[in-house]
Amino acid sequence: GENVGLHLPTLSVQEGDNSIINCAYSNSASDYFIWYKQESGKGPQFIIDIRSNMDKRQGQRVTVLLNKTVKHLSLQIAATQPGDSAVYFCAETYDKVIFGPGTSLSVIP
Amino acid sequence: DGGITQSPKYLFRKEGQNVTLSCEQNLNHDAMYWYRQDPGQGLRLIYYSQIVNDFQKGDIAEGYSVSREKKESFPLTVTSAQKNPTAFYLCASSMTSGGAQYFGPGTRLLVL
Repeated sequence: GENVGLHLPTLSVQEGDNSIINCAYSNSASDYFIWYKQESGKGPQFIIDIRSNMDKRQGQRVTVLLNKTVKHLSLQIAATQPGDSAVYFCAETYDKVIFGPGTSLSVIP
Repeated sequence: DGGITQSPKYLFRKEGQNVTLSCEQNLNHDAMYWYRQDPGQGLRLIYYSQIVNDFQKGDIAEGYSVSREKKESFPLTVTSAQKNPTAFYLCASSMTSGGAQYFGPGTRLLVL
């Protein structure tokens, strides 16, 4: 069936380095994608979104890249900070929203 | 302060008991959703509502019920028919169905 998956379930990054979190999606008709951040015991927080008519979108310290050819989505976090430690998951939308299981990002001070 | 709230933060259920989780939003969003999150798993959709007085089952609706009598409120009842209710329950809302979903802080349900 259609699903959204993540290449790396866990990621450890040194403070100050850049982080890249990846996501693969299987539905080529999906036209809207979102990245969420979820800290332990809290609800997911919207980070950034991108529509299928774009390849790249930048926010504050974050960039989302969309490669429709290989159905791949990535979230780049610049100058990773301890407060970035959380689970990050992507979501794809066509006629419904499908969430991936998430990648746990751990920032090493 | 606009946002989406859930209460209580923790809820304990005795065997055979029905419990209701509250979800309120003041974002003027039409669509609201309930998800269940288990450790190490992705979000699973329980119920969703695209408009007041209307709701549809999600992927795991058995043992749950909802109502949508007001635009800002979408309570979830976990019934005694739900045999494995221990989980983290998340409510979300979006401007329209298919739009970006914004989540509440969650309710953790534990069984005594």
